[in-house]
Amino acid sequence: KAGVTQTPRYLIKTRGQQVTLSCSPISGHRSVSWYQQTPGQGLQFLFEYFSETQRNKGNFPGRFSGRQFSNSRSEMNVSTLELGDSALYLCATKGTSANYNEQFFGPGTRLTVL
Amino acid sequence: KNQVEQSPQSLIILEGKNCTLQCNYTVSPFSNLRWYKQDTGRGPVSLTIMTFSENTKSNGRYTATLDADTKQSSLHITASQLSDSASYICVVIVNSGNTPLVFGKGTRLSVIA
Repeated sequence: KAGVTQTPRYLIKTRGQQVTLSCSPISGHRSVSWYQQTPGQGLQFLFEYFSETQRNKGNFPGRFSGRQFSNSRSEMNVSTLELGDSALYLCATKGTSANYNEQFFGPGTRLTVL
Repeated sequence: KNQVEQSPQSLIILEGKNCTLQCNYTVSPFSNLRWYKQDTGRGPVSLTIMTFSENTKSNGRYTATLDADTKQSSLHITASQLSDSASYICVVIVNSGNTPLVFGKGTRLSVIA
């Protein structure tokens, strides 16, 4: 089974721009969660999608949004980028029958905002 | 407030030595606790998952312990190898709420020859 894939792996943007990141889950996984990872804050939960619906949401401003498609692929969008948005963005997926709700992480997208 | 604290922040050990990483949490209601290994530039990979009733769980040279009474967990690495150099993240799963996973900031382990 192929793992979780994320594209692009690296991205450089300037302040004020917007960006869209993509996550393709493991086949059969319907839940996709997004996380922001920075050296100072560690991993922080952004949101979770299941069957095209947002199921949980973390404490991030409305500039951060996401969606999920019928094939379970998910996209995350950040508008009006700020320098502080520079981070590794990880997505994690899980299946409906996963033990203990185990999540499988993708390799991440490294976003640099200049 | 649900929090996970890890110590030390960073650690350097010689190849072949053992080490223990600590995780203290104040999370309620508790569902389970996980340890992840994250290599530089990669996503985290699960090492162990422990429920409330489990005291210890091993995965090769990695052994995790859990004391649900004191809300402490540890990850012991035996006979360290250079490939163990990574960040180790403790994650506690909450049984309810909008943020079901609470992450520690990780311990950065460097194994040197």
